[in-house]
Amino acid sequence: ELKVEQNPLFLSMQEGKNYTIYCNYSTTSDRLYWYRQDPGKSLESLFVLLSNGAVKQEGRLMASLDTKARLSTLHITAAVHDLSATYFCAVDMNYGGSQGNLIFGKGTKLSVKP
Amino acid sequence: EAGVAQSPRYKIIEKRQSVAFWCNPISGHATLYWYQQILGQGPKLLIQFQNNGVVDDSQLPKDRFSAERLKGVDSTLKIQPAKLEDSAVYLCASSWGGQPNQPQHFGDGTRLSIL
Repeated sequence: ELKVEQNPLFLSMQEGKNYTIYCNYSTTSDRLYWYRQDPGKSLESLFVLLSNGAVKQEGRLMASLDTKARLSTLHITAAVHDLSATYFCAVDMNYGGSQGNLIFGKGTKLSVKP
Repeated sequence: EAGVAQSPRYKIIEKRQSVAFWCNPISGHATLYWYQQILGQGPKLLIQFQNNGVVDDSQLPKDRFSAERLKGVDSTLKIQPAKLEDSAVYLCASSWGGQPNQPQHFGDGTRLSIL
């Protein structure tokens, strides 16, 4: 059974600081997705990572994937209050086929304080 | 483009009652998913459709949950009878034909409370 673990689950940061959220998964997969969820809202796609060594950047967020280590990271640079949200990583169980069952981590609740 | 539409936004029922949720995916999206998100957890897939056929329903509690996607567009998810542990947000998502490079697009969800 595929397990996806995120850490930390809660993160309180000061504006301007850098931090990294980690996503570990337990079985082979070459597809990992990062989503953002604001309170009471739905999930918004941030990044799609499809190969070993993939790196994507958007604004202050950068995501990477190491399929050999079964690890993805979401790095936050110079955090601002608008980044406060819950961040989920999700791993696709259908290795090599069409997109299938996404297994989500429990989420990292990020709070950025002035 | 218009996003994934879901209704109702909120529903409160008593245990053992029945409830139904509706989803209209993004136009042209062949793949539709229903997820259950319990408070404090990530979404869990209940069922995946490709057009009007079921691809994966291995995690759907079939003794009480049912879903259909007639004509390969709109979908409904039904719970009958509801249990207390069914209290959750039910999210619908859609994507282009299940291609790995296309993320799933989520609706705002239906928040279900069971009394």
